Amino acid sequence: EPEVTQTPSHQVTQMGQEVILRCVPISNHLYFYWYRQILGQKVEFLVSFYNNEISEKSEIFDDQFSVERPDGSNFTLKIRSTKLEDSAMYFCASSEGIGELFFGEGSRLTVL
Amino acid sequence: DQQVKQNSPSLSVQEGRISILNCDYTNSMFDYFLWYKKYPAEGPTFLISISSIKDKNEDGRFTVFLNKSAKHLSLHIVPSQPGDSAVYFCAASRGNQFYFGTGTSLTVIP
Repeated sequence: EPEVTQTPSHQVTQMGQEVILRCVPISNHLYFYWYRQILGQKVEFLVSFYNNEISEKSEIFDDQFSVERPDGSNFTLKIRSTKLEDSAMYFCASSEGIGELFFGEGSRLTVL
Repeated sequence: DQQVKQNSPSLSVQEGRISILNCDYTNSMFDYFLWYKKYPAEGPTFLISISSIKDKNEDGRFTVFLNKSAKHLSLHIVPSQPGDSAVYFCAASRGNQFYFGTGTSLTVIP
């Protein structure tokens, strides 16, 4: 069964460092998303991406964040200068455009 | 602005009994509703969905009910099994935007 894959599963970084989280969405999907979940809190929408551009983003997705689909298969989330409060599980998701989102297993980011 | 709300953070049910998880939403423009199940350290997995043109959808032990006038949906699991213990998120969508609730942690007691 096709699945969304994410790497790394866990990344530990120092505050102020750049982090790139990678995702390979399901191959025939057209819409891509990043969500995050801070420990014990709700799943929060960050950004959606369609047709090689951001279609919507939340207030959380400030100038420190960027997304890219560099090669037609990977979908990356970059955090330019990490802060302590960026520590969370980051989930990539994709969809065909009709129906449900399919989520990856998540990337745990720990900022020290 | 929490457009999708799950007011019960946790629920405990005896094995074999019915689990009822509730969800409320505020935006009448939502046209598709979903339930996801999440185990610790894993991504959410899709469970069941319902279109706004329906009021009930059933899949095995899982049934989702939608009450549009009350802006309320619920997930019924019957009979509940210990393996159902997880966090359940409801979600609502409008177009390709999905909004998630805060989750309800279900514990099924053997």
